[in-house]
Amino acid sequence: AQSVTQPDIHITVSEGASLELRCNYSYGATPYLFWYVQSPGQGLQLLLKYFSGDTLVQGIKGFEAEFKRSQSSFNLRKPSVHWSDAAEYFCAVGPTGTASKLTFGTGTRLQVTL
Amino acid sequence: KAGVTQTPRYLIKTRGQQVTLSCSPISGHRSVSWYQQTPGQGLQFLFEYFSETQRNKGNFPGRFSGRQFSNSRSEMNVSTLELGDSALYLCASSWGSGSSTDTQYFGPGTRLTVL
Repeated sequence: AQSVTQPDIHITVSEGASLELRCNYSYGATPYLFWYVQSPGQGLQLLLKYFSGDTLVQGIKGFEAEFKRSQSSFNLRKPSVHWSDAAEYFCAVGPTGTASKLTFGTGTRLQVTL
Repeated sequence: KAGVTQTPRYLIKTRGQQVTLSCSPISGHRSVSWYQQTPGQGLQFLFEYFSETQRNKGNFPGRFSGRQFSNSRSEMNVSTLELGDSALYLCASSWGSGSSTDTQYFGPGTRLTVL
């Protein structure tokens, strides 16, 4: 069965510092991989996704993620965090060929200090 | 283009009652998926409807059901509510084509509280 692990429940960074959120997945075939962000009381907003091709994926709001098949990882990065990036971040995996039936990680809550 | 809308946004029910939640997808999207989000279990896939047919189903009891109408709007029903059904219910829509460009777009959710 597919699964996603986000090892960090909570991360605090200073505004302007770099950020890396970890995601490890378990899936038998080539997966779709996603990062979503959720602000309090809101739904999920897609940051970026990976299906195939270039392993470094660019997303919205200055985020990027790198797919590493050998490490089964899909870590999210941002070079300089803004206070408005404080939110909960979810990594998800889905079966190739469909965007539905996503399996989500438990999420990482990001706090940004000024 | 309007996003995914969910109604109502907040709902309070008592144990044993039933509830119906509604989701209107982005115009043109034919796939609607439902997820339950709780602090203990996180985000869990409930089911997906595509062209009025259930195409995928998660591991939830039969008390959880859904349907999709010809205009792709979807409803989710929970019968005989239990305290553990308190959650944020998220709806997501996509083209449903299965292509690499297909992406799920989420609504704001319905917050269900069971007393």
